[in-house]
Amino acid sequence: GAVVSQHPSWVICKSGTSVKIECRSLDFQATTMFWYRQFPKQSLMLMATSNEGSKATYEQGVEKDKFLINHASLTLSTLTVTSAHPEDSSFYICSSNGGRTGELFFGEGSRLTVL
Amino acid sequence: AQSVTQPDIHITVSEGASLELRCNYSYGATPYLFWYVQSPGQGLQLLLKYFSGDTLVQGIKGFEAEFKRSQSSFNLRKPSVHWSDAAEYFCAVEPYNQGGKLIFGQGTELSVKP
Repeated sequence: GAVVSQHPSWVICKSGTSVKIECRSLDFQATTMFWYRQFPKQSLMLMATSNEGSKATYEQGVEKDKFLINHASLTLSTLTVTSAHPEDSSFYICSSNGGRTGELFFGEGSRLTVL
Repeated sequence: AQSVTQPDIHITVSEGASLELRCNYSYGATPYLFWYVQSPGQGLQLLLKYFSGDTLVQGIKGFEAEFKRSQSSFNLRKPSVHWSDAAEYFCAVEPYNQGGKLIFGQGTELSVKP
């Protein structure tokens, strides 16, 4: 099946700094990617839909100025957590359907720890 | 309101015993339905999915799920659980025409006793 890769797998940063997480589709073109957030022992919550060449669509309650999403090419979407705080510590997972409804491919996830 | 419910937060079964994980959804139209498994600190692995057709779906690792429209359910089953099946299981739906946007249930943590 198609492959979605995230980098880094884990990252530790200090409060107030910014962290960028990359999500790449390795063998297909992803016009749309989805970013999820998962707190420990909890479910995945959709944060935003990333659209190639246009602005991301954020879910209710997600601060777009804090979680910057850029989808500049058909194979790469990035999530930047700006001015990170300890409460931003979480597991971030991206996915894409490669343009085909119902066929979703998930990245391995990126664990962010903010000290 | 649209929702996905997994009533059981944690289930413990003995190795070799059968397993059923429950999932109910609340949507106006039949959505696409999925079951994913997640090991600690790992990403998601798709076990199986239902789009249409035969309501009994076979997946990987010996899992199956049955879609019951009348009950708005999509329960996951396995006839004989292995110790390696211990993990977190998520039911998810893609509402009709939402282009890949998934709504996840709360998850069920499965423990397997030797």
